[in-house]
Amino acid sequence: GAVVSQHPSRVICKSGTSVKIECRSLDFQATTMFWYRQFPKQSLMLMATSNEGSKATYEQGVEKDKFLINHASLTLSTLTVTSAHPEDSSFYICSARRQNSNQPQHFGDGTRLSIL
Amino acid sequence: AQKITQTQPGMFVQEKEAVTLDCTYDTSDQSYGLFWYKQPSSGEMIFLIYQGSYDEQNATEGRYSLNFQKARKSANLVISASQLGDSAMYFCAMSLRGANSKLTFGKGITLSVRP
Repeated sequence: GAVVSQHPSRVICKSGTSVKIECRSLDFQATTMFWYRQFPKQSLMLMATSNEGSKATYEQGVEKDKFLINHASLTLSTLTVTSAHPEDSSFYICSARRQNSNQPQHFGDGTRLSIL
Repeated sequence: AQKITQTQPGMFVQEKEAVTLDCTYDTSDQSYGLFWYKQPSSGEMIFLIYQGSYDEQNATEGRYSLNFQKARKSANLVISASQLGDSAMYFCAMSLRGANSKLTFGKGITLSVRP
């Protein structure tokens, strides 16, 4: 079964709305989670690394004030797309790996965000 | 910085036949991991197989095997006995050692299995 849960799976909303996406590790603790963005028929691009109890680390070119990340517990990270616009429409997917483990990252099922 | 290269165009394979998906990588680090993920049209990322840079034997997981050639910096995925459900995007990825190391993905390869 799924070890990483991501909600919602799909969001359609008006321009200017802020959208929160949750990523939960279901049966393990994850001090670090990762947020990716994927445009149609393209690869996954890392947006930021979410660190429990501290600030997220953003990749170059990603606006930290636009994409707010909160990692308040060892099992939950949230990504908030603030004042979303049509160009923010994309597939957002999170991943997590068991703490102190070399096991592969497990991914959530992703969130399809459509901004009208 | 790490780089993953997947240059094959869309791949086609007949059901029940084997197919190889190519992946080359570049890194100056000696300790790293290589991964293959499958992404069906529904979008979820499914982990297939992992190869550590110090692993001497090629990784195998059921119908999946990884042809690891360290000197050539290649990590090709071999799928044996293809099934219709194997039709999907396949991504090669790598990370440096460490539990919190991020993944770097290739651009992916589309595989279509013909009945």
